[in-house]
Amino acid sequence: EAQVTQNPRYLITVTGKKLTVTCSQNMNHEYMSWYRQDPGLGLRQIYYSMNVEVTDKGDVPEGYKVSRKEKRNFPLILESPSPNQTSLYFCASSAYNSPLHFGNGTRLTVT
Amino acid sequence: SQQGEEDPQALSIQEGENATMNCSYKTSINNLQWYRQNSGRGLVHLILIRSNEREKHSGRLRVTLDTSKKSSSLLITASRAADTASYFCATPNQAGTALIFGKGTTLSVSS
Repeated sequence: EAQVTQNPRYLITVTGKKLTVTCSQNMNHEYMSWYRQDPGLGLRQIYYSMNVEVTDKGDVPEGYKVSRKEKRNFPLILESPSPNQTSLYFCASSAYNSPLHFGNGTRLTVT
Repeated sequence: SQQGEEDPQALSIQEGENATMNCSYKTSINNLQWYRQNSGRGLVHLILIRSNEREKHSGRLRVTLDTSKKSSSLLITASRAADTASYFCATPNQAGTALIFGKGTTLSVSS
């Protein structure tokens, strides 16, 4: 089944404790992206990747890192999480000029 | 920045009724997409309409695009309780590196 898999689904952590949210897609898509979704602010892009080893900042990259060492994986790294990073995170992928496929989301709480 | 804005923010209807949601955007586009999100889950692509198309159908969905007014509408005919969800329009940014999402219309269909 074609899908984007994110883990974990829920995560509660404390300020400053490094964490990684994994994302994997099995559709051989070149493009991958991370969004965060917040009430009243909608979906905002954090980082994107056009292909392996090619990543770039989206609209809200501060406090996040990504890597794209393999085509299928695009992890999101929070080196020192803060409470303002409490949010619902989505990974998405697509073929060139095609609709996005989204993962089921990671609900992160930083206390 | 280029962005779709949905109207209304919330819509409550009875099963069997039609639901119409509108989207306005700011700059020229080459396509506009509609997505659906069940509560707290990932977004699912519904339909893509290109700038040279005026209307597109998919099952009970009908999407129109008026590039002169920079607006689109999504019509769901004969709504069902299972259509209860949030609906988002999205347009590519100028660089083609991100989809810019509106804040969505929350549709509630009661039986």
